[in-house]
Parts: sequence; C-alpha cells; structure tokens
Amino acid sequence: NAGVTQTPKFQVLKTGQSMTLQCAQDMNHEYMSWYRQDPGMGLRLIHYSVGAGITDQGEVPNGYNVSRSTTEDFPLRLLSAAPSQTSVYFCASSRARVGYEQYFGPGTRLTVT
Amino acid sequence: GIQVEQSPPDLILQEGANSTLRCNFSDSVNNLQWFHQNPWGQLINLFYIPSGTKQNGRLSATTVATERYSLLYISSSQTTDSGVYFCAVINAGNNRKLIWGLGTSLAVNP
Repeated sequence: NAGVTQTPKFQVLKTGQSMTLQCAQDMNHEYMSWYRQDPGMGLRLIHYSVGAGITDQGEVPNGYNVSRSTTEDFPLRLLSAAPSQTSVYFCASSRARVGYEQYFGPGTRLTVT
Repeated sequence: GIQVEQSPPDLILQEGANSTLRCNFSDSVNNLQWFHQNPWGQLINLFYIPSGTKQNGRLSATTVATERYSLLYISSSQTTDSGVYFCAVINAGNNRKLIWGLGTSLAVNP
C-alpha cells in the first residue's frame, strides 16, 4: 500500500490564483481530512469527510473548498489564494469508526506571495 | 472543547540520554496518538494508544485515561530522534476530530 499520498510537495502561488491540492489513499478508509500547520499553532482542521459525497467544515474552513466523489480521493481547493494561506498542508485518513488510528500524508508546502 | 497540553515545550539532550514527554488532556478520549515530526516536516505515527502501554524499540508510551495523561519515553536517544513530538486526541464526545497539542521540540546533540 502507498498509504496516503499528496501532490504537489511544494507550490508557490501569487495572490488571487487558484489551485487544487491532491490527496489520495489506498487503504479503503472512509474518513479523510485536511489540516494546515503553522509555526507555533500546531495542526488545525480545515475540512473533513466521513465518506464519499459527505463533507463538513473543521476549525478553519474559510477560503477552502473540498469534495469527495470517491472513497480514495479528497482534493482541497484554494479558490483565490491569499498570503495568510501560506502553510504546510497535511491530508489524513482513517477507518470510519470512532477511535481508529489516523494516517498522514507527507504534506504540501504552499507559499502565497 | 478539550484541551491538550504538552510538556516540556523544548528539550535538549545529549546522545544516549533518556527522556519523558508528557501529554495532559482535559476530557475523556477514545483516541490518542503520538507523532514525531522530523526536521524534513514528515509526520510519523509513533503510537496509537488511547489506554495502556506499548513499546516499539527504544520508544514506549503509557496512557492513563482515567487520570487524563499520556507519557512518551525515549531511551538511549539518538540524533535522529530530533524533531517535534506531538500528542493528539479525539474527544469521546466529538467523533473524529483530532485535537493537537503544541508539541515538544527535541534536539539531541552528538
């Protein structure tokens, strides 16, 4: 199993540009989520999904959209990038049942200038 | 919501030394994980330990759920242990959202 994969690893955007961060998992996990990590603030939940077709907001959803058309993929869209979205983004997945271990992808480092 | 506090915030060790990292949480949990974030930014799962004790090589962890804390033990530290150690929990009443501590930053000197 490849586990959780993310692309790209690095990205530089100009303010106002849009882009999609890709996340895929091959473990047949129902639960997937996106976090951002900023210095001194730990990881914060952006959006999550408990299964195909179902998404919900986390702590910091503004400026981000998600969709979940398949079990495997959970892309994160930045509609109009802002410098405040400069961060490292992690995708995670786990089985649906509460309490299962979460597995993280390698991260995407995004810089918005 | 549930609070997760880690201590110490920073730790410097000489190679070969042992250390204990602590994670306190303010409410009952049904998931607790320890992660190591290496200097390249990768998040590595160390333990999934909502209760009890586990060991993996030089690392071990104990969670006492009734007293709301978890400990991560690192023995015979190596320079490759450097990085940030995070504790993250899922509140028993809040489905699947991982709540993170701010981490312990560990530097192991040769």
